[in-house]
Amino acid sequence: AQSVTQLDSQVPVFEEAPVELRCNYSSSVSVYLFWYVQYPNQGLQLLLKYLSGSTLVKGINGFEAEFNKSQTSFHLRKPSVHISDTAEYFCAVRLYGNQFYFGTGTSLTVIP
Amino acid sequence: DGGITQSPKYLFRKEGQNVTLSCEQNLNHDAMYWYRQDPGQGLRLIYYSQIVNDFQKGDIAEGYSVSREKKESFPLTVTSAQKNPTAFYLCASIRRGVEERGYTFGSGTRLTVV
Repeated sequence: AQSVTQLDSQVPVFEEAPVELRCNYSSSVSVYLFWYVQYPNQGLQLLLKYLSGSTLVKGINGFEAEFNKSQTSFHLRKPSVHISDTAEYFCAVRLYGNQFYFGTGTSLTVIP
Repeated sequence: DGGITQSPKYLFRKEGQNVTLSCEQNLNHDAMYWYRQDPGQGLRLIYYSQIVNDFQKGDIAEGYSVSREKKESFPLTVTSAQKNPTAFYLCASIRRGVEERGYTFGSGTRLTVV
């Protein structure tokens, strides 16, 4: 079955330190890849997406992600995190049609 | 601005009661989805609808029902048959043909059984 795996359920990091949230997908076909952020008791907001072209994509709030086809990965990175980045982050893949598959989420906690 | 409105934000239900969660969108999106979110389990698909008057079961449809009488509206009913309904419920939508834009989500409804 096609799936998305987020390898870390919780990631604590000190403020102003870099962070990487990992996402791997299982597919040999062309995909659309997305990262969403969810603040407490809110819906999901789109951070960034990869459709095609340049493998490094930049999103909102200083986040970026790199698509690696050979490793089937789409890891999310930020060079320096802020307290306000504390949230849940979801990786998602669209294989065909309008059906998306979501990972189980990574809870990022930024420590002052 | 267009968006998805979920109401109410918080909902309390007594055991044995049916409750209905509202989801309305003014984005002219074709497809709508209901997800359930529990801690550590990510998003699980309950039901989805691609067009008016048609809907399909997702992975955890038991104990839930939906309707799609209007393009803008996709209410979810949590029935008494749902044994553990306490969760955060998210509604999402997307426009066919522009899937590269991703889903748009509502702000969620937190349901608690008391």
